[in-house]
Amino acid sequence: GEDVEQSLFLSVREGDSSVINCTYTDSSSTYLYWYKQEPGAGLQLLTYIFSNMDMKQDQRLTVLLNKKDKHLSLRIADTQTGDSAIYFCAEMKGGSYIPTFGRGTSLIVHP
Amino acid sequence: GAVVSQHPSWVICKSGTSVKIECRSLDFQATTMFWYRQFPKQSLMLMATSNEGSKATYEQGVEKDKFLINHASLTLSTLTVTSAHPEDSSFYICSARVDRVANQPQHFGDGTRLSIL
Repeated sequence: GEDVEQSLFLSVREGDSSVINCTYTDSSSTYLYWYKQEPGAGLQLLTYIFSNMDMKQDQRLTVLLNKKDKHLSLRIADTQTGDSAIYFCAEMKGGSYIPTFGRGTSLIVHP
Repeated sequence: GAVVSQHPSWVICKSGTSVKIECRSLDFQATTMFWYRQFPKQSLMLMATSNEGSKATYEQGVEKDKFLINHASLTLSTLTVTSAHPEDSSFYICSARVDRVANQPQHFGDGTRLSIL
């Protein structure tokens, strides 16, 4: 299977919370990242978390890390139409400086 | 800070043409830059790692003679797609990081859409 797995699609109503999930395989991963890609654009770093942290919050974004289950999630509070994009999870494996990306989750926000 | 500029954003050209894409770090020096290719609705495929002053490291299956990479300075890397054909049509994205320390995330350019007729 893939090293980093994400569900491909998520649809939410404007104003609701969105939760995008990701699983990875390397227990020695040091950093885990969330990137946002809008149509026709490159990737924008949203946030990242070090492997010794359980949670990181930055305004509307909350990252939860369950290292035991190798599970990472990104919660977007009060989701807006401008949040519609593809969200990529990436892990930095131990001993590497090149992240491994998931296939991306397409977030669709509808009124 | 940490802005990466990629140029051009869109290229349409005839089969057999060579196309050069530039990736510049605008406000920091990047010892390492990366070139990715992205197919529609798919993730990023790392093509090569570009190191300033040395030869690029290509991923398995990527043709070195087809995709020429030059990293002549700490702020500029170029990818040249030589004798491009329709199957080379894709979205190419570069990224840059300051050094090899793991906690330095990659900063991405806005990508170049290459269409070969």
